[in-house]
Amino acid sequence: IVLTQSPDTVPLSPGERAILSCWASQSIGNSLAWYQQKPGQAPRLLIFDASNRATGIPARFSGSGSGTDFALTISSLEPEDFAVYYCQQRSNWPPWTFGQGSKVE
Amino acid sequence: QLVQSGVEVKKPGASVKVSCQASGYSFTTYNINWVRQAPGQGLEWMGWISPDNGNTNYAQSLLGRVTMTTDTSMRTAYLELRSLRSDDTAVYYCARDAFSYTSALVGYMDVWGKGTTVTVSS
Repeated sequence: IVLTQSPDTVPLSPGERAILSCWASQSIGNSLAWYQQKPGQAPRLLIFDASNRATGIPARFSGSGSGTDFALTISSLEPEDFAVYYCQQRSNWPPWTFGQGSKVE
Repeated sequence: QLVQSGVEVKKPGASVKVSCQASGYSFTTYNINWVRQAPGQGLEWMGWISPDNGNTNYAQSLLGRVTMTTDTSMRTAYLELRSLRSDDTAVYYCARDAFSYTSALVGYMDVWGKGTTVTVSS
């Protein structure tokens, strides 16, 4: 299953809303996660099962979608939110795959 | 947390073995995934291993070159990659499944090691 993210890069300012998209090459139900990665750091799980926030994730992060179309919304960007975001699918059985990433700058 | 071994520099054709020591949770309850990231590139899932029974699942592209193992007495997972090539140069992460291996939600990764840099160069 191939995941395609859009946009590759999006320039935004603190306080603005970010909407990142992820498309799957076939239906994956709601088996999708979102991760945030900052330079020199490991990825951090934000959202699992398309719309469930992981422990400790602020409410400004929300996920939506099912089937093949998914989105991650950051309602009001904080300075620490500027990072690369990856979607990842875990449908049915491995291999799990990641999208190519979207950078919020 | 997951604590990984240090930087490795290898020549093409050599092998590398990276370790990942777990603490603070029941080691055998959660699968361990290995994910790598080439310089400036995205994330590539390499495979997972169940510390409970040793079952593994590897990415097709790595079959024949990769072996994942665990030592439950040491609470440590290992990744061995053989016949190294220059395009194996990457940061290698271990990452714990967010849910136990008995869950229907396996495959989400919530605890990550800091990564091990492996450089393959002649």
